[in-house]
Amino acid sequence: DAGVIQSPRHEVTEMGQEVTLRCKPISGHNSLFWYRQTMMRGLELLIYFNNNVPIDDSGMPEDRFSAKMPNASFSTLKIQPSEPRDSAVYFCASSLPGQGTDTQYFGPGTRLTVL
Amino acid sequence: SQQGEEDPQALSIQEGENATMNCSYKTSINNLQWYRQNSGRGLVHLILIRSNEREKHSGRLRVTLDTSKKSSSLLITASRAADTASYFCATELTGRRALTFGSGTRLQVQP
Repeated sequence: DAGVIQSPRHEVTEMGQEVTLRCKPISGHNSLFWYRQTMMRGLELLIYFNNNVPIDDSGMPEDRFSAKMPNASFSTLKIQPSEPRDSAVYFCASSLPGQGTDTQYFGPGTRLTVL
Repeated sequence: SQQGEEDPQALSIQEGENATMNCSYKTSINNLQWYRQNSGRGLVHLILIRSNEREKHSGRLRVTLDTSKKSSSLLITASRAADTASYFCATELTGRRALTFGSGTRLQVQP
């Protein structure tokens, strides 16, 4: 299995630009999570989907952030417009609940730098 | 504030020694999980302990959970240089599937 795939791995952009992060969960997993990691705030949940439906987006910082999951094999996290304080590593994770484990499998992350 | 707070923030030991990391949390949980993160990489799941379990083993790892004290510990026995990483506890809160992560413990194992 290829694991959770994220792209791009690194993104450098200028303030005000739109940024789109992509995630392909593990095939067959029906829960998908977006996390953000910074030195100041640690790992924070932004949003998670179950069967392609957003369940909890309480961690999305503001309206500049949006996430979609158009099908079971793809999700995007968009920031528009981006700001320097959005600089962080963004992780996507997937899981298959109901199989006796709630393990989440993380992707390698996208390191975002907003100048 | 963080659901999980870890202690110590940093730990440096010699190869072969045991490493113990502690995690405290605030509210009722379904389970508690430990993850490892190597520098610049994603998180790797190590072990999960459910709220009705008290101890669990996996290879050189031993996890304990005390729900009355809302605390957990991770013991790595006979540490190796390759164990150098940050270790995070994560709690799945009752009624909420997403994980809430602690601040992490940076472990350095000196060869």
